[in-house]
Amino acid sequence: DADVTQTPRNRITKTGKRIMLECSQTKGHDRMYWYRQDPGLGLRLIYYSFDVKDINKGEISDGYSVSRQAQAKFSLSLESAIPNQTALYFCATSDFGLAGYNEQFFGPGTRLTVL
Amino acid sequence: AQKITQTQPGMFVQEKEAVTLDCTYDTSDPSYGLFWYKQPSSGEMIFLIYQGSYDQQNATEGRYSLNFQKARKSANLVISASQLGDSAMYFCAMREGADYGQNFVFGPGTRLSVLP
Repeated sequence: DADVTQTPRNRITKTGKRIMLECSQTKGHDRMYWYRQDPGLGLRLIYYSFDVKDINKGEISDGYSVSRQAQAKFSLSLESAIPNQTALYFCATSDFGLAGYNEQFFGPGTRLTVL
Repeated sequence: AQKITQTQPGMFVQEKEAVTLDCTYDTSDPSYGLFWYKQPSSGEMIFLIYQGSYDQQNATEGRYSLNFQKARKSANLVISASQLGDSAMYFCAMREGADYGQNFVFGPGTRLSVLP
């Protein structure tokens, strides 16, 4: 089974609708992240959480909110979706390691289309 | 200012040849880490290799090596003996600061095409 899962994998919705993307992990990591990927822009950080009580805005948090329901679950919400939020969304996790070698493990991605 | 620059939007290489993908970074923090990820057409992000700012030697992982030139702030990925399965997008990323202040920044990526 995959260590980081995302649901749904694909979603088409209409402008103004509320959308929730969910991420679950079995890696036991405290740190979780949400990114969006647009062509030519790489991945941009939306929100990140270092533990259940810690939520931080990333580079592009406007129009998004998150909820860290448990160590293993981190959800991303679009309260009122707009077409320029059409993108590929990734959830990622990482461990805490003072050595610094703490790669991020990515989920398979959710392709969201807002019409 | 761009923290991570990848100046090659697309690259072509002949199968079995080596290829270098460029990455330059910008940070004033003495502690940082550099990562390379591969994204095949299926979309998943695959970790390839890591280089810490204090590492004395260039990182290597199988056919992947990282040419780390700290003074030039460059961390180029070298793929030796390219294979058709290496065709993908490649992203350079940086974690700035000590681990407890972790934040990742990604470059725009380079699309590598391996020709038979």
